[in-house]
Amino acid sequence: EVQLVESGGGLVQPGGSLRLSCAASGFTLSDYWMHWVRQTPGKGLVWLSRMDSDGSSIKYADSVRGRFTISRDNADNTLYLQVNSLRAEDSAVYICAREGIVSALDLWGQGTLVTVSS
Amino acid sequence: QSALTQPASVSGSPGQSITISCTGTSSDIGGYNYVSWYQQYPGKAPKLIISEVSNRPSGVPDRFSGSKSGNTASLTLSGLQAEDEAHYYCCSYTTMSTLVFGGGTKLTVL
Repeated sequence: EVQLVESGGGLVQPGGSLRLSCAASGFTLSDYWMHWVRQTPGKGLVWLSRMDSDGSSIKYADSVRGRFTISRDNADNTLYLQVNSLRAEDSAVYICAREGIVSALDLWGQGTLVTVSS
Repeated sequence: QSALTQPASVSGSPGQSITISCTGTSSDIGGYNYVSWYQQYPGKAPKLIISEVSNRPSGVPDRFSGSKSGNTASLTLSGLQAEDEAHYYCCSYTTMSTLVFGGGTKLTVL
């Protein structure tokens, strides 16, 4: 089955860090551009970061540049998002998505919840 | 990058047509034909329903259609059905080679 499954979320104190994972199955991650998006419960979608298929081009939203790092392990077919210096406003469901059509996200995971609180 | 602007809510009766607008700038919607739309039910992952302004992925009913004029994209749903009640999000490629989403629109089928 073609799917994306995120993990790694949890409760973290302000200033803390987490590494979020997105395991892909049914397709090869490195064949696609991959994205991270977040969604606050009851709110909208916010684009965070993307990595192109060969890993040579990475982009971040202004709100997370310098604090978040996207990466990929081809052997494990897994996408990562290292999130550092977390703030209360970073509390959200973090979702990975595949860009299967130009600039359109055709496969989404269910997300992993990050809560930043003391 | 500021979020694209969508109405917070729209509503319509079964069988009617509704249109959801999505307004951006020349740096996103107006500059590229890379507007996509997503449908999201509560507690579920978003689903791609329109790509590249007006293309429907396989399996998406032709009741869903997309268009663009200048800096504004639109999603039209014709022949509204109860199952169409959901949140809808627009998204555009930008000059910074990033994506930007709209704030989302809640569609209520009366």
